[in-house]
Amino acid sequence: SAVISQKPSRDICQRGTSLTIQCQVDSQVTMMFWYRQQPGQSLTLIATANQGSEATYESGFVIDKFPISRPNLTFSTLTVSNMSPEDSSIYLCSVEGGGSRSYTFGSGTRLTVV
Amino acid sequence: KNQVEQSPQSLIILEGKNCTLQCNYTVSPFSNLRWYKQDTGRGPVSLTIMTFSENTKSNGRYTATLDADTKQSSLHITASQLSDSASYICVVSGRPGGSYIPTFGRGTSLIVHP
Repeated sequence: SAVISQKPSRDICQRGTSLTIQCQVDSQVTMMFWYRQQPGQSLTLIATANQGSEATYESGFVIDKFPISRPNLTFSTLTVSNMSPEDSSIYLCSVEGGGSRSYTFGSGTRLTVV
Repeated sequence: KNQVEQSPQSLIILEGKNCTLQCNYTVSPFSNLRWYKQDTGRGPVSLTIMTFSENTKSNGRYTATLDADTKQSSLHITASQLSDSASYICVVSGRPGGSYIPTFGRGTSLIVHP
C-alpha cells in the first residue's frame, strides 16, 4: 500500500491566520482525500483532490476556507484559512489503495487555534 | 441516509482478555466494510477489509465478521495487549467498483489496562 508523509504533525496557531498542510505520497495516485476529525467524532470528508482539476468539496466546506492544491499525482496541500478556535481538529489526507480497495491515511495534523 | 453506528462507544478491559466491537450500517448498495485502528494523534491504519461475499477475515489477533443480510459486523480482539489501546473505526463503502466515498463510524475507544 501507499506510504503518505503528512506535515506538520501538529501546530498551534493564532486565530485569523492560515495553515497549510502537506501530504506527499510515495506513488502516483489519481485521487487524494482530505478529512477533518473533530474531538470524539468520526472522520468527515472535506474534499476530494484530483490532479489537474478543481477539488470537489463536500457540503459544508468551501474553497475559500479550505483551498486545496494538487500540482501532481504524488502531492497535495490543504490550507485552513482565517482560522478560528472551531477549526481545532485533526486533519488527515488519504489515498485509495487501488487493488487493495483500502484507504491509506497520513499520520494526521493536530491543529489547535488559540 | 448512509449511516454507520458503532458500539460500545468506549470499552475498558484487562490485558489478556478478549473483546468484541460491533458495527451496524445502513449503507446501500454495499461494496465493502473495513476496520481501522487509530492510535491517539495518529492516522487510521487498516486492519481488515471484507466484501459482500466474505463473512470473516483475520489479521493476527484481530478477527472481523460480516453479516451482509443483517448489515452487521464485529471485530473480535483476542488476548488483548496494552498496545491495543486505540480507537477502532468501522468504515463502509457503498458504491461498487472504482473510487467511492466511504461512511465512517464514530469509533469505539478501547483502553486495555495492565
